[in-house]
Amino acid sequence: DTGVSQNPRHKITKRGQNVTFRCDPISEHNRLYWYRQTLGQGPEFLTYFQNEAQLEKSRLLSDRFSAERPKGSFSTLEIQRTEQGDSAMYLCASTDGRNYGYTFGSGTRLTVV
Amino acid sequence: EDKVVQSPLSLVVHEGDTVTLNCSYEVTNFRSLLWYKQEKKAPTFLFMLTSSGIEKKSGRLSSILDKKELFSILNITATQTGDSAIYLCAVEVSGGSEKLVFGKGTKLTVNP
Repeated sequence: DTGVSQNPRHKITKRGQNVTFRCDPISEHNRLYWYRQTLGQGPEFLTYFQNEAQLEKSRLLSDRFSAERPKGSFSTLEIQRTEQGDSAMYLCASTDGRNYGYTFGSGTRLTVV
Repeated sequence: EDKVVQSPLSLVVHEGDTVTLNCSYEVTNFRSLLWYKQEKKAPTFLFMLTSSGIEKKSGRLSSILDKKELFSILNITATQTGDSAIYLCAVEVSGGSEKLVFGKGTKLTVNP
């Protein structure tokens, strides 16, 4: 599989619950990004990893959000105590920084009820 | 604050029409400009532009960048219903870490 894989594809959760999403990037790509997209908006940057190091976090990422990339391979994004405002599409992208473009996964659509 | 503005936000045309989508930007450390097509799910890569005045083409789609005036256009000729999608413009910025800053997108609807 040469693409970026995300799962689950959809997640419905009750307000206050914790959720975790997973992203498997293209294996040669050392850079991995998480973005959030709401209806009618372009994707907004959340956080960035180079290998296993988390190099930047957006101000959008509150204390309830945490991301990891152990061993520089797959990444997880956890949201604790979910709120209705967290409902969005969470996109993962990876790149090797040399070839053009960032490859996006199909996203995880989160609905908080 | 880095900003990318796309226009129009929405466009409805008939099959066979030619459309031009606009993207202007104000960023502090420009690296490249990218265009993506988004249907129901993942944005799919169309073009990456780094040099001014050099047109990139792929079939009926083409794009050009003007780094002096800080904008890019995406042209689609002889539109088809399959071109209906959201077209996203993103600027890759550097300075610390490289990342994409996106516009809101242009929703294109091509009617038969």
